[in-house]
Amino acid sequence: EVQVVDSGGDLVQPGGSLRLSCVASGFSFSSFWMQWVRQAPGKGLVWVSRINHDGTTTDYADSVRGRFTISRDNAKNTVSLQMNSLRVDDTAVYYCARDVSLDNWGQGTLVTVSS
Amino acid sequence: NFMLTQPHSVSESPGKTVTISCTRSSGSIASNYVQWYQQRPGSSPITVIYEDKQRPSGVPDRFSGSIDSSSNSASLTISGLKTEDEADYYCQSYDSSNVVFGGGTKLTVL
Repeated sequence: EVQVVDSGGDLVQPGGSLRLSCVASGFSFSSFWMQWVRQAPGKGLVWVSRINHDGTTTDYADSVRGRFTISRDNAKNTVSLQMNSLRVDDTAVYYCARDVSLDNWGQGTLVTVSS
Repeated sequence: NFMLTQPHSVSESPGKTVTISCTRSSGSIASNYVQWYQQRPGSSPITVIYEDKQRPSGVPDRFSGSIDSSSNSASLTISGLKTEDEADYYCQSYDSSNVVFGGGTKLTVL
């Protein structure tokens, strides 16, 4: 069974940093793109970042480029999102998802940026 | 960057058919696959259509997807509506460096 489990969300002050993690199982992790998507309270889905199967290609939404960094460890079936210079409007549930088509999603992890 | 535009909300009665549109602002709708996700309150999204019209295993065949190059749009059609179909639906597509979601459509089955 394909599983994607995301974690690491917390309450952080504006300007702070946080690292989210996503552990995958049930499929050949190193063969798939992985992505992060977020959803602010009561709002729609917004794409954040993606990484290709071997980590050589990464893309970011304009709103996070230069502040967030996506990475992966294929030996540990893990993808991470390092978030720096966090802003209040980064507050959201962050989802990890598999593949270009986002065919399997994690349960989400809540990031709250507030003083 | 392109945008995907969906109606904010639609409503229909149980047993009827509803279609949700998703219009691409620039570039051809056929140039990259479109996906559709269902999200119920408090839950993660699930894929109901991928690659324009493919249905994942476990998704009822009441759900179907299509694209129309003349209107540069994609559509999600749900037939034989059930109360359990009430949810938010999002379309999604991508290009070489970007992934885009539509704003979401709230489907009410009443």
